[in-house]
Amino acid sequence: GQQVMQIPQYQHVQEGEDFTTYCNSSTTLSNIQWYKQRPGGHPVFLIQLVKSGEVKKQKRLTFQFGEAKKNSSLHITATQTTDVGTYFCAGKGGATNKLIFGTGTLLAVQP
Amino acid sequence: NAGVTQTPKFRVLKTGQSMTLLCAQDMNHEYMYWYRQDPGMGLRLIHYSVGEGTTAKGEVPDGYNVSRLKKQNFLLGLESAAPSQTSVYFCASSVRLAGTDTQYFGPGTRLTVL
Repeated sequence: GQQVMQIPQYQHVQEGEDFTTYCNSSTTLSNIQWYKQRPGGHPVFLIQLVKSGEVKKQKRLTFQFGEAKKNSSLHITATQTTDVGTYFCAGKGGATNKLIFGTGTLLAVQP
Repeated sequence: NAGVTQTPKFRVLKTGQSMTLLCAQDMNHEYMYWYRQDPGMGLRLIHYSVGEGTTAKGEVPDGYNVSRLKKQNFLLGLESAAPSQTSVYFCASSVRLAGTDTQYFGPGTRLTVL
């Protein structure tokens, strides 16, 4: 069945450093969503990408959707302690009509 | 608006006991979902509903049942709890089907089965 993998599983950075998480799907996706989950909290929607090659920015966050619509990335410039949490991608595609979440990347930011 | 609420927040069960998790949303969303979250495995869909009176199986439905008698409520039942069902359970809702619209998540229920 459809699988969505994320790398790395965990990243520890110093405040001010950049951070990138990558999302890869075994099948072509119709679109991809990104969510953030703070420690002890629940996932919160960040953004949705639909078009091949699409790039969207939210302040220090840059989201990309691959040309083949099978991968995506989230890049955070100059991380802050408020960026701490787990970032999930979620894709819909293949034979299933369901949204499949990636395994998540836990970001730790040291002040 | 409270958004999506879940009760209870925490629960400890013994193997074989039953319980029902309640999810309520006040956003008039058509679609509702139940996920479980386990370390290193992300969120996995258990069951979902596309409207009042309808339910469908997700990725990991075994051992769970659901009901959507009212549009605003989505219940998740465990008839005979097993230690493998120890997890954090999240309910979510959306206006349109997941993957085409934002999902709004509840605060979660931490369930431990001994």
